[in-house]
Amino acid sequence: AQSVTQLGSHVSVSEGALVLLRCNYSSSVPPYLFWYVQYPNQGLQLLLKYTTGATLVKGINGFEAEFKKSETSFHLTKPSAHMSDAAEYFCAVSRGPTSYDKVIFGPGTSLSVIP
Amino acid sequence: DAGVIQSPRHEVTEMGQEVTLRCKPISGHDYLFWYRQTMMRGLELLIYFNNNVPIDDSGMPEDRFSAKMPNASFSTLKIQPSEPRDSAVYFCASTQGGQGDNEQFFGPGTRLTVL
Repeated sequence: AQSVTQLGSHVSVSEGALVLLRCNYSSSVPPYLFWYVQYPNQGLQLLLKYTTGATLVKGINGFEAEFKKSETSFHLTKPSAHMSDAAEYFCAVSRGPTSYDKVIFGPGTSLSVIP
Repeated sequence: DAGVIQSPRHEVTEMGQEVTLRCKPISGHDYLFWYRQTMMRGLELLIYFNNNVPIDDSGMPEDRFSAKMPNASFSTLKIQPSEPRDSAVYFCASTQGGQGDNEQFFGPGTRLTVL
């Protein structure tokens, strides 16, 4: 069975500081990995995804994540936080690639950005 | 494309009343998902459909919940009778299974309040 853990339900950073949101997964097969962002009163939208190929994945709004198989991790980073980054972030995993499978979402990490 | 469309955006009802939530997936997507989000339980998958057929409804909490997908462009989630503990944000999402990357596209959600 697949699962996702996100260390820290709430993370606070200063504006301009590094953002690091942690995600670890378990999967019996090579996973597909996702980061979604949810702004207040909105649905989830995809930030970035890893399916195959390059393990460093770049997404929207300056975010990137690195797939590390040996550590079963897919941490999300951004060099310099902006006030507009304040949101809820969800890491997710699914099996791939030949057929659809359920996407398992982590519990989420709420990011606050302090001016 | 307009994205996933949900209606209503907000619903306030009294305990015991029937509630119907509606979803229009992205045209061409063959998978549709219903999620529930609460502070206590996070994001929960309730049910998902493939080609209008329910595939997995193990997340549906009780018999009071039912979901239908009469055609490729419309789905409903019904709660009858509603209870205060059903208060949550309900999201609909869709994806095109043949793409193989399992990226889901979310609607804006319906915020349900049961008094």
